[in-house]
Amino acid sequence: DQQVKQNSPSLSVQEGRISILNCDYTNSMFDYFLWYKKYPAEGPTFLISISSIKDKNEDGRFTVFLNKSAKHLSLHIVPSQPGDSAVYFCAASSEDTGNQFYFGTGTSLTVIP
Amino acid sequence: DSGVTQTPKHLITATGQRVTLRCSPRSGDLSVYWYQQSLDQGLQFLIQYYNGEERAKGNILERFSAQQFPDLHSELNLSSLELGDSALYFCASSKQAGGYEKLFFGSGTQLSVL
Repeated sequence: DQQVKQNSPSLSVQEGRISILNCDYTNSMFDYFLWYKKYPAEGPTFLISISSIKDKNEDGRFTVFLNKSAKHLSLHIVPSQPGDSAVYFCAASSEDTGNQFYFGTGTSLTVIP
Repeated sequence: DSGVTQTPKHLITATGQRVTLRCSPRSGDLSVYWYQQSLDQGLQFLIQYYNGEERAKGNILERFSAQQFPDLHSELNLSSLELGDSALYFCASSKQAGGYEKLFFGSGTQLSVL
């Protein structure tokens, strides 16, 4: 049962343009969401998070938007840089789900110079 | 460098065998998580330990077991291995056990069962 879904396995964007990565979830109890970035041969690294009391969180070039009614979140990267090329995972959790983090299947982003 | 150390990086073994994967969490972190990533799959949660005690269990097979030792390092034991167990196994750690923690991941152990 995939409670967190990333329906786009891959995305290609030109350098300098905006990258938008999407994530949908099914469990309305989730109230904390995170994005992780993974380079080959490395473990995922934390990128940005958002709690359900907010609908937007920004950190430099990275902004996460949360639409609770649609059970959807997105990660915007502006401007995209070649070093952003990686696999991006979204994850969700809540105290009510037993402290488990549920991860999506990932979106591979390629930023073309 | 996340501060989480996993050994070995690569492991090749045969069906029916048993292996042990090791994880040392970041200094000061009490919680350890194990995840499995198979081809084209997301990170599947296996099990979580907090300060030596099992805290949460996910889709962990009965052939798999884990423990966290007094020095907080953790081991994941996989037995009666099958071809389908071939995957990347990640360990992650966090300071506490709550669902609002940031996880810090190791670089993983790539297990190949032949």
